[in-house]
Amino acid sequence: EVQLVESGGGLVQPGGSLRLSCAASGFTFSSYWMHWVRQAPGERLVWVARISTDGSRTTYADSVKGRFTISRDNAKNTLYLQLNSLRAEDTAVYYCTRPRISAIPDGFDSWGQGTMVTVSS
Amino acid sequence: DIVMTQSPDSLAVSLGERATINCKSNESVLYSSNNKNYLAWYQQKSGHPPKLVISWASTRVSGVPDRFSGSGSGTDFTLTISSLQAEDVAVYYCQQYYRPPYTFGQGTKLEIK
Repeated sequence: EVQLVESGGGLVQPGGSLRLSCAASGFTFSSYWMHWVRQAPGERLVWVARISTDGSRTTYADSVKGRFTISRDNAKNTLYLQLNSLRAEDTAVYYCTRPRISAIPDGFDSWGQGTMVTVSS
Repeated sequence: DIVMTQSPDSLAVSLGERATINCKSNESVLYSSNNKNYLAWYQQKSGHPPKLVISWASTRVSGVPDRFSGSGSGTDFTLTISSLQAEDVAVYYCQQYYRPPYTFGQGTKLEIK
């Protein structure tokens, strides 16, 4: 069974930093591009970032470019998202997710339960 | 960025009746080399992560009831629930995965009338 378990969320002041983790199991983690998607309370889903299977290629939403860094450790089956220079508008539940098929872009069929990040003074 | 717009924002349908949700993109998500539409539909119940229902615009994901169907191509897409059940109450989102950022629609809230 595919499992994605996020951790690392919490309350942080504006300008602060957090590191989110996503522990993956039940599938060959190193074969999948991985993604982060966030959702502010009552708002739509927003794609945040993606990373290639070997970690060499990354893509970010403009709203987080230069502030967030996605990375992965295939030996530990873990995905990360480093959040720096946090703003109130970054407040959201952060989900890690993967596409249905490993080799090509596809809909995201596996999601974690999410970790809440609250940016407030 | 590709902008995804859903209609309506909310919808109330009687049990057993048909529910139809529309999604429009401001540019085509049809990849000409393989003739596939890079469009997914998700169901999100309150307090839960999204669940993939349809990918490639019309491919029902394993385990999803056959009352769910997707149609459309290019820029205009539809999710249809042929006979609404109580467990279908949720917010539904479309998403394009044609080109990053992989944008979502604003969501359609589906309720029982």
